[in-house]
Amino acid sequence: AQSVAQPEDQVNVAEGNPLTVKCTYSVSGNPYLFWYVQYPNRGLQFLLKYITGDNLVKGSYGFEAEFNKSQTSFHLKKPSALVSDSALYFCAVRVPDQTGANNLFFGTGTRLTVIP
Amino acid sequence: SQTIHQWPATLVQPVGSPLSLECTVEGTSNPNLYWYRQAAGRGLQLLFYSVGIGQISSEVPQNLSASRPQDRQFILSSKKLLLSDSGFYLCAWSVRTSGYTGELFFGEGSRLTVL
Repeated sequence: AQSVAQPEDQVNVAEGNPLTVKCTYSVSGNPYLFWYVQYPNRGLQFLLKYITGDNLVKGSYGFEAEFNKSQTSFHLKKPSALVSDSALYFCAVRVPDQTGANNLFFGTGTRLTVIP
Repeated sequence: SQTIHQWPATLVQPVGSPLSLECTVEGTSNPNLYWYRQAAGRGLQLLFYSVGIGQISSEVPQNLSASRPQDRQFILSSKKLLLSDSGFYLCAWSVRTSGYTGELFFGEGSRLTVL
């Protein structure tokens, strides 16, 4: 069975500093990995994904993530945090199969607060 | 372009009352459809998914049911709500293709409070 872990419930960072939100995964097979962001009382917005290829993936709003197969990690990063980046971030995993179900399994989320 | 709509956005219901949350997708055909629940503003739990009309798979046993009466319509229901059904319910869709590598697209959510 596949799962993801986000070890930090809360991450605080000063505006302008680099940020990292951690994610590790456990799957049997090659994973598809995703990051989503959620603002209060809103749905989830897709940020980026890793399917195959280059381990560094660039996404929306200046975010990027690095896939590390040996460490089974997929950490989300941004070189310079903005106050508007404050939100709840979810890592998700899916293992490709032939059912077409495309089910994503989510981590518990990390609340990012960017301090002005 | 594709859009997904959920309603109602907010709902307050007494214990024991019925529930119906509706989700529709526009601009695509034959989507996979999903219902997730988010409790206490944190983790998401997959409740149901559907790969076609009338085809519903349940991920967890619960007081809820789902139906897909039309290709782009997904309904979450309960005959008698429990306090524990309170939460933020999110509908999502994805392309239905074996080997699809893309993401899920989420609606804006329905907040249910059971009193």
